[in-house]
Amino acid sequence: SQQGEEDPQALSIQEGENATMNCSYKTSINNLQWYRQNSGRGLVHLILIRSNEREKHSGRLRVTLDTSKKSSSLLITASRAADTASYFCATDEGNTDKLIFGTGTRLQVFP
Amino acid sequence: DAGVIQSPRHEVTEMGQEVTLRCKPISGHDYLFWYRQTMMRGLELLIYFNNNVPIDDSGMPEDRFSAKMPNASFSTLKIQPSEPRDSAVYFCASRRGQGGYYEQYFGPGTRLTVT
Repeated sequence: SQQGEEDPQALSIQEGENATMNCSYKTSINNLQWYRQNSGRGLVHLILIRSNEREKHSGRLRVTLDTSKKSSSLLITASRAADTASYFCATDEGNTDKLIFGTGTRLQVFP
Repeated sequence: DAGVIQSPRHEVTEMGQEVTLRCKPISGHDYLFWYRQTMMRGLELLIYFNNNVPIDDSGMPEDRFSAKMPNASFSTLKIQPSEPRDSAVYFCASRRGQGGYYEQYFGPGTRLTVT
């Protein structure tokens, strides 16, 4: 499988805490994207980071990318119950038109 | 814009029956992707089209699966005959632009149950 790996598989935290999810991939990339999937819904794009960027912010989201380690992390600060969802990273490995999605992290935020 | 539209939202069928899933991409998008999601295998890319032409169908599990895109506003994924192991959520996604710099827009999915 070409899928990337995400870690942890599941994460439970209290509202107000920060949540960190990690993603590893296998080959060179140009871009890495993060998506969110609420239960029973399709995936929604959150943020994109290019291979020449190391960090990017969008609201309460912070994404880092380490191409030497072939890994990325997504940090959600001051989490809310509404952040409860699965989070996936996706890469354009092999410089193709395809996005290869990771296995996902299930985040549960308790009020 | 209404987003990516998929129909039906739920499909329950018996083994051996033909199943057709439908997708209307966002207007102006030139890429269309079909994915399958299961607990065991995660999100798998089945096939994708560019300007209505199939580009990569290496993810199609077997000959029972076929996909078409007769025009820029419509695509179908057909399973014939269906088997219980085809039970999954099938997503259609569309995108404007080439490469991984462009985000994909996903439909709500079709939950298929084959009994």
